Amino acid sequence: DTAVSQTPKYLVTQMGNDKSIKCEQNLGHDTMYWYKQDSKKFLKIMFSYNNKELIINETVPNRFSPKSPDKAHLNLHINSLELGDSAVYFCASSQFGGELFFGEGSRLTVL
Amino acid sequence: GENVEQHPSTLSVQEGDSAVIKCTYSDSASNYFPWYKQELGKRPQLIIDIRSNVGEKKDQRIAVTLNKTAKHFSLHITETQPEDSAVYFCAASINDYKLSFGAGTTVTVRA
Repeated sequence: DTAVSQTPKYLVTQMGNDKSIKCEQNLGHDTMYWYKQDSKKFLKIMFSYNNKELIINETVPNRFSPKSPDKAHLNLHINSLELGDSAVYFCASSQFGGELFFGEGSRLTVL
Repeated sequence: GENVEQHPSTLSVQEGDSAVIKCTYSDSASNYFPWYKQELGKRPQLIIDIRSNVGEKKDQRIAVTLNKTAKHFSLHITETQPEDSAVYFCAASINDYKLSFGAGTTVTVRA
């Protein structure tokens, strides 16, 4: 049983397109996150939702729009993709801000 | 915000030797310090964590030490094995929900 699952695992798309990544956790956690890992492996938080409410919104272009329909799901929609958006996007969840459980990652390549 | 610096960026050790990774943080209010291991192509996973009311914590071959006065913490891996080869990330947070990660250390264990 996968604890944090995200789809798709790979996305290859052209600049200017729009894409979405979906994430679901079955751990019953109250908080979900989106992290971006760039080519240098640096992990940076983008967004965090606690019980469907946005609690962390880092300096991320407004082309990135998260949406949490319920506390088990957190999706990420990206408009007008740019070359610099190429990265691995990790969804994660935690309970009361404790240990982060990461999904397998979604590798986005913008051509 | 919190700034976490991690050194070294790469570390090569002979199998059986020890590996030490050091991190410093900027915000004295930080009180939670986890370490994550990320194997090639995999998700980051928590290996050990420490809170500010504890100076040292050990789990089999790994240990973490925290010096709150100096604002630094370290990961020690003893008797390294090939499966210890991975990227290791330190992190720090004030409120548990927003982890600031270090840049990562690529550890290679030579057989």
